[in-house]
Amino acid sequence: NAGVMQNPRHLVRRRGQEARLRCSPMKGHSHVYWYRQLPEEGLKFMVYLQKENIIDESGMPKERFSAEFPKEGPSILRIQQVVRGDSAAYFCASSPTTVTSGNTIYFGEGSWLTVV
Amino acid sequence: QQQVKQSPQSLIVQKGGISIINCAYENTAFDYFPWYQQFPGKGPALLIAIRPDVSEKKEGRFTISFNKSAKQFSLHIMDSQPGDSATYFCAPSYNFNKFYFGSGTKLNVKP
Repeated sequence: NAGVMQNPRHLVRRRGQEARLRCSPMKGHSHVYWYRQLPEEGLKFMVYLQKENIIDESGMPKERFSAEFPKEGPSILRIQQVVRGDSAAYFCASSPTTVTSGNTIYFGEGSWLTVV
Repeated sequence: QQQVKQSPQSLIVQKGGISIINCAYENTAFDYFPWYQQFPGKGPALLIAIRPDVSEKKEGRFTISFNKSAKQFSLHIMDSQPGDSATYFCAPSYNFNKFYFGSGTKLNVKP
């Protein structure tokens, strides 16, 4: 049973370029979450999506960042015109339905973005 | 701002010793209190979690103690092993879909 799959695992972009991070949830999971982790810090919530819907994007920067979870295919986190401060690990997580005390969200292994 | 304060930042324990990590929170609406374990280069994985209707939960060598009035909860690792060396995060939540991570505690268990 494959876990949450993220790719690429490592990505290097020059300032001003675009970064696209992909996340395939666990089989049977219809909810996806994106978190960002800066070096030596905890994870910060960015966005919560269901298929074709953004449920909560309160943690997303207002500019340059967008996320989608189409009916078919992986969830995509897109960062336009990257800056050095975007360098971080981006973690995707998934859950089968709305999380309750009987289940949890499962994290992928992350995508490490380096902006040079 | 949902504030979660975790301490200590780092911890060195001898093999067989007890590791204790603390988490203090401000939001009284939190109703789910998990601890996550993260190894270098990996995503965080749920270690143990507690709901506020109990004061303690034990799973193997790992125990959560919860103090609702003090708005604190802690992780105790008994008989710590070198394989427990990792970073630990508390991450309380009030709707399960958004977790508020602490800044992490880097645990080093010396053989």
